Amino acid sequence: EVQLLESGGGLVQPGGSLRLSCAASGFTFSSYALSWVRQAPGKALEWISAISSSGDSTYYADSVKGRFTISRDNSKNTLYLQMNSLRAEDTAVYYCAKDRPKLWCFDYWGQGTLVTVSS
Amino acid sequence: DIVMTQSPDSLAVSLGERATINCKSSQSVLYSSNNKNYLAWYQQKPGQPPKSLIYWASTRESGVPDRFSGSGSGTDFTLTISSLQAEDVAVYYCQQYYSTPSFGPGTKVDIK
Repeated sequence: EVQLLESGGGLVQPGGSLRLSCAASGFTFSSYALSWVRQAPGKALEWISAISSSGDSTYYADSVKGRFTISRDNSKNTLYLQMNSLRAEDTAVYYCAKDRPKLWCFDYWGQGTLVTVSS
Repeated sequence: DIVMTQSPDSLAVSLGERATINCKSSQSVLYSSNNKNYLAWYQQKPGQPPKSLIYWASTRESGVPDRFSGSGSGTDFTLTISSLQAEDVAVYYCQQYYSTPSFGPGTKVDIK
């Protein structure tokens, strides 16, 4: 059974940093691209970043480019999102999602972790 | 960037009746080389993460009831729930994956 478990969310002040983690199990982690998708309270889903299976290629939405960094450790079956220069508008539930093979759509999602940016 | 829109914003349907959700993309998501539409549908129940329902515009995810069906091509797509059940109350999102992913704003489905 595929499982994705996010952690690392919490309350952070504007301008601060946070690192999210997503621990994966139930599939061959190193064979699949992964993404982060966020959802602001009461709002729609927003894709923010993806990383290839090897970690060599990364992709970002304009809204986070230059502030967020996606990475992965295939030896630990873990996906990361380093978030710097956080803003109030980054407040959201952050989901990690497993990409379908060679496609940017998602067959499995984690439960999400809430990030609140507020003073 | 491809912008996704959905209609209606919300709808209320009687149990056992049909629910129809529309999704439109700002440019075609039909890839000519393989004749596939790069369009997915997700269901999100309150307090839960999204769940994949349909991809390639009309291919149901394994385990998804056959009352859920997807149709359409190019820029216009439809998700149909043929006979609404109580457990189908949720927000439904379309998503294109022709280019960097983008989601529609969602359609909330309730029981009338």
